Amino acid sequence: EPEVTQTPSHQVTQMGQEVILRCVPISNHLYFYWYRQILGQKVEFLVSFYNNEISEKSEIFDDQFSVERPDGSNFTLKIRSTKLEDSAMYFCASRGTGSNEKLFFGSGTQLSVL
Amino acid sequence: GDSVTQMEGPVTLSEEAFLTINCTYTATGYPSLFWYVQYPGEGLQLLLKATKADDKGSNKGFEATYRKETTSFHLEKGSVQVSDSAVYFCALTDINTNAGKSTFGDGTTLTVKP
Repeated sequence: EPEVTQTPSHQVTQMGQEVILRCVPISNHLYFYWYRQILGQKVEFLVSFYNNEISEKSEIFDDQFSVERPDGSNFTLKIRSTKLEDSAMYFCASRGTGSNEKLFFGSGTQLSVL
Repeated sequence: GDSVTQMEGPVTLSEEAFLTINCTYTATGYPSLFWYVQYPGEGLQLLLKATKADDKGSNKGFEATYRKETTSFHLEKGSVQVSDSAVYFCALTDINTNAGKSTFGDGTTLTVKP
């Protein structure tokens, strides 16, 4: 089965630093998402991206966050100035079009902000 | 907005016991319903899905039936194994109203003891 690939698997950073989380969605997918899961809590939607622009974002996705699809294969999430509460597992997901609404998730990037 | 309510955990069962994890939802449109599983240290994986009323999703001995009249999608398995120990998330996706984002329940932790 095709896979969504995320790198790195673990990222440790100091508070106030910028981090970029990287994702390679499935090649023929057109919808891309970032979700996060704080330890022991629910999976939360951050942002959806389609046709090179954000189609929806949650309240969590404030000005410190941005997403980009810099080329035909990568999809990145940038956090400009990390806070302690940004520590979480970040999941990238992608989806095809039409009746296939299944999300393919990557294995996640564990972000630890110290 | 859309929401998913899952049975609170954790759930602890003996091997070969019957499993039910309740899930109910509210949605403005006609969502597709999903169960995802997260094994220890891993990302989210799709377990099964149902895209319309009365559909039954099944995989690896797990089943869930889309009940529109009760807005439910309960997960069942007749005989659980130790390897089924994981966190189970119920989710819905309404691509017609929500840019295809998924809304997740809080997750239910299942532990199966030999």
